[in-house]
Amino acid sequence: SQTIHQWPATLVQPVGSPLSLECTVEGTSNPNLYWYRQAAGRGLQLLFYSVGIGQISSEVPQNLSASRPQDRQFILSSKKLLLSDSGFYLCAWSVRVELFFGSGTQLSVL
Amino acid sequence: TQLLEQSPQFLSIQEGENLTVYCNSSSVFSSLQWYRQEPGEGPVLLVTVVTGGEVKKLKRLTFQFGDARKDSSLHITAAQPGDTGLYLCAGARGSQGNLIFGKGTKLSVKP
Repeated sequence: SQTIHQWPATLVQPVGSPLSLECTVEGTSNPNLYWYRQAAGRGLQLLFYSVGIGQISSEVPQNLSASRPQDRQFILSSKKLLLSDSGFYLCAWSVRVELFFGSGTQLSVL
Repeated sequence: TQLLEQSPQFLSIQEGENLTVYCNSSSVFSSLQWYRQEPGEGPVLLVTVVTGGEVKKLKRLTFQFGDARKDSSLHITAAQPGDTGLYLCAGARGSQGNLIFGKGTKLSVKP
């Protein structure tokens, strides 16, 4: 069966520090991979998606970047965090339309 | 911009009551999905509806896709405290997972 791992679960970082969130998927090949952000009281905002290794599409211009170094690994990064980067970050995978989410990372930028 | 509007935003009911939540858009979607999310967790897929007018049942939950594939509803019969959570609808623009999400309905079922 397929599983998705996302870490860390919580993270507190100072403004201006770098960020690296990692997500890995097991049990499937060549999945589409996604990074979403969920702010309090708001829906899920798609940040990046990838249909293959090295292929990244950005939905919203921002302070973040994504990379897919391996088929089942998706990384969300920032060189310098802003206060507005705080939120709940979710990684997800799909083969068709349905999304399967990780357990999320609660990021607080102070 | 395709938007999905969910209503109500918040709903607090007693155990045993019935409820309906709505997901509306002015745009047509190829399919629509419902997810439930608990605090501190990722959303979990409940159902996908594809055909206009389609009705799907999942135990006490009934999902309907509008005839024009622009809207959907979720009806819960005899709600239980375990139904508590954030219910999100999401519309698909094609055959891949680039979904448009609504802001959700936060449901609280009190014993």
